[in-house]
Amino acid sequence: DVKVTQSSRYLVKRTGEKVFLECVQDMDHENMFWYRQDPGLGLRLIYFSYDVKMKEKGDIPEGYSVSREKKERFSLILESASTNQTSMYLCASSSLDRAWEKLFFGSGTQLSVL
Amino acid sequence: KQEVTQIPAALSVPEGENLVLNCSFTDSAIYNLQWFRQDPGKGLTSLLLIQSSQREQTSGRLNASLDKSSGRSTLYIAASQPGDSATYLCAVRGDSNYQLIWGAGTKLIIKP
Repeated sequence: DVKVTQSSRYLVKRTGEKVFLECVQDMDHENMFWYRQDPGLGLRLIYFSYDVKMKEKGDIPEGYSVSREKKERFSLILESASTNQTSMYLCASSSLDRAWEKLFFGSGTQLSVL
Repeated sequence: KQEVTQIPAALSVPEGENLVLNCSFTDSAIYNLQWFRQDPGKGLTSLLLIQSSQREQTSGRLNASLDKSSGRSTLYIAASQPGDSATYLCAVRGDSNYQLIWGAGTKLIIKP
């Protein structure tokens, strides 16, 4: 069974901390994505990557960075966490073959910044 | 700019009914459209993917249709069950980039 695994289900951090959210996929997918989901705002794309060491900004990249050193792993970094980054963070992956590009999601990380 | 709308925002129906969820989009130049399901506090599960050249896709009790010219997709759920209760989201991909444009979702409650 295909799988996207996010390292933490719940995370509580303090303002100013550096936060790492990890995502691993086992489907050999080229594309990986980080979204945040907030009530009333829906899903918003933070960053995505279509290859190792490649990254592209999404709609709301401010305050975030990403790292993709290996094909299967895509990390989201909050350089200095702030309370407005409290949210559900969702990682997803898909094949580069656009004919088969169903998006597969992890279970999400609920991050609270105090 | 593409916009995706899902109406209604919430729907409650008795178990056993057939129902239709709606998704509309403003720009018909799409590459594909996906329907997802999200259970509370969980990630999303892809249900059906329709390519722009297709009119419908079926999986079990689910049938998704696509009418590009009118900018609409529907998700038909037959013989609904309490386990179908979830939020259903649609997402549209345009031709030009990797990004999906998301609807806000329809929260579906199936009453036993």
